[in-house]
Amino acid sequence: GENVEQHPSTLSVQEGDSAVIKCTYSDSASNYFPWYKQELGKGPQLIIDIRSNVGEKKDQRIAVTLNKTAKHFSLHITETQPEDSAVYFCAALITGGGNKLTFGTGTQLKVEL
Amino acid sequence: DTGVSQDPRHKITKRGQNVTFRCDPISEHNRLYWYRQTLGQGPEFLTYFQNEAQLEKSRLLSNRFSAERPKGSFSTLEIQRTEQGDSAMYLCASTPDSKAFFGQGTRLTVV
Repeated sequence: GENVEQHPSTLSVQEGDSAVIKCTYSDSASNYFPWYKQELGKGPQLIIDIRSNVGEKKDQRIAVTLNKTAKHFSLHITETQPEDSAVYFCAALITGGGNKLTFGTGTQLKVEL
Repeated sequence: DTGVSQDPRHKITKRGQNVTFRCDPISEHNRLYWYRQTLGQGPEFLTYFQNEAQLEKSRLLSNRFSAERPKGSFSTLEIQRTEQGDSAMYLCASTPDSKAFFGQGTRLTVV
């Protein structure tokens, strides 16, 4: 089955700096890659996603890049703010095969003032 | 609120008791998923429904776990004879395609 690895497990940045979280996946059939933000005691919130036919996608301060050859995808957050502090999860999915997500182990992002 | 709704938010139960959780998905979504999340880990797939049909179950779902979605709308997840290892956050998600939207989860503590 699919295996998703995520790094780093913790990330501390100064407010205004950029943050990058990286994930790798094992199954080349995976074709949909969402990112979720989870705050303490809450469910995961979808923040951005990318499909395998696209190399990069941006939404305001958030961007995701995908390298299908290397089976890597990354989340980039620019101009970080304290409210960006949370746990971020990457995930991978094979559409049409039950559409069940395989998650990474999460990155605890702390944005310091 | 038109998001995914889960009830209860928190449940503390004694070992050996049965518990049942409910999930109300986004109304137009035909797929409903249950995931389990333990501390410091990402959510792990348990089972999913397309309308009322349960199409797949993870090997994580022991025979003490049962899920239903009787009318293709809300779903219930029951755990019989709870064990301490069942303590986790149980998450429900619904989706019309591949984008999954999660509820706030039910935090289960077995004492």
